[in-house]
Amino acid sequence: DIQMTQSPSSLPASLGDRVTITCRASQDIGNYLRWFQQKPGKSPRLMIHGATNLAAGVPSRFSGSRSGSDYSLTINSLESEDMAIYYCLQHSEYPLTFGSGTKLEIK
Amino acid sequence: EVLLQQSGAELVRPGSSVKISCKASGYTFTDYYMHWVKQRPEQGLVWIGRINSANANTVYADNFKSKATLTADKSSNTAYMQLSSLTSEDTATYFCTRGGKYDYWGQGVMVTVSS
Repeated sequence: DIQMTQSPSSLPASLGDRVTITCRASQDIGNYLRWFQQKPGKSPRLMIHGATNLAAGVPSRFSGSRSGSDYSLTINSLESEDMAIYYCLQHSEYPLTFGSGTKLEIK
Repeated sequence: EVLLQQSGAELVRPGSSVKISCKASGYTFTDYYMHWVKQRPEQGLVWIGRINSANANTVYADNFKSKATLTADKSSNTAYMQLSSLTSEDTATYFCTRGGKYDYWGQGVMVTVSS
């Protein structure tokens, strides 16, 4: 199975900060990488698809990038509504695997 | 508008089974796989498996091969997941999500296993 190692697990940040969350894939997954945002009691929301493409309706302060087997989600100028847990997902091969999650919280 | 409407919360006894549903609307049901995801309280997301809504072909994660059974009813545009031999480890919220972009998710079904 492909392991997705996500870091950090917790990320205290201030409003207006720029933050980056990273997932490292244990095998080649190409660009079959998505990022999700999940708020308490809610379903996951797709933020990024194809590693770098913004999903519909997602604010432009979110962006995705790739460097080799490292995939990153960056949020520029944090807003209060961005406080949530973020997960990466590889869908290159079965079984699909999620990262362990990053809890973004106000410092 | 694409919607995935899941069935209501379940309280079930250990050792029993439960079948939860995910009714799709707003798109052609057979054009997309349906995936299922488990989330235990305060835990992360775990992929259970997927069903090809057109031909009922299934793929499961190893840990769920004897736990979950995925089916789909094309006549009602509804996907189902049955969970068997329930234990406290199965207490979780279960989500369905449309395959492809994983851009649409059901609201989740909370299954509580308790005597």
